[in-house]
Amino acid sequence: DIQMTQSPSTLSASVGDRVTITCRASQSISSWLAWYQQKPGKAPKLLIYKASSLESGVPSRFSGSGSGTEFTLTISSLQPDDFATYYCQQYNSYHWTFGQGTKVEIK
Amino acid sequence: EVQLVESGGGLVQPGGSLRLSCAASGFTFSSYWMSWVRQAPGKGLEWVANIKQDGSEKYYVDSVKGRFTISRDNAKNSLYLQMNSLRAEDTAVYYCARGTNWGQGTLVTVSS
Repeated sequence: DIQMTQSPSTLSASVGDRVTITCRASQSISSWLAWYQQKPGKAPKLLIYKASSLESGVPSRFSGSGSGTEFTLTISSLQPDDFATYYCQQYNSYHWTFGQGTKVEIK
Repeated sequence: EVQLVESGGGLVQPGGSLRLSCAASGFTFSSYWMSWVRQAPGKGLEWVANIKQDGSEKYYVDSVKGRFTISRDNAKNSLYLQMNSLRAEDTAVYYCARGTNWGQGTLVTVSS
């Protein structure tokens, strides 16, 4: 199966900071990558699909980039509502896999 | 609007069985691959199984192969997960998913 390595596992940041999370695939997944945000007790919420396409209703401060094996999620100016855990997911193969998650904490 | 509503979770003893259901609405159910994803308490997300539109192809994570069976009833717009020989490590919230649309999940607890 394709392994997804996400970094960092925890990130401490302040409101207004620019934040970048990285996801690396063990083999090429083209652009078949999604990013989710999850808050405690809630289902994951889709932010980005196909590596760089912003889901409808998601603020434009979120952006995704990359293709092949290297991907990034960027939050251009961190807002109080953005403190959460973020996951990448590959759906290039029938066996999906997720990164281990990045918890964004208040500094 | 896409809606996915899971049901059937609960407390079950190790070695027991449980059947999860997912009621789908707001889209043409028979046109989409469907999936189950789970999340153990305090842990990350883990894909469990996928099923093709007509049920002819099914894929499973290694840890559930031979124990779990994914199925669907397109006439009822429903997805199922039959879970047998349950283990403590199967304790998780189970989410039904259509691609990147997910339900709210149902909790399965395996404990004596």
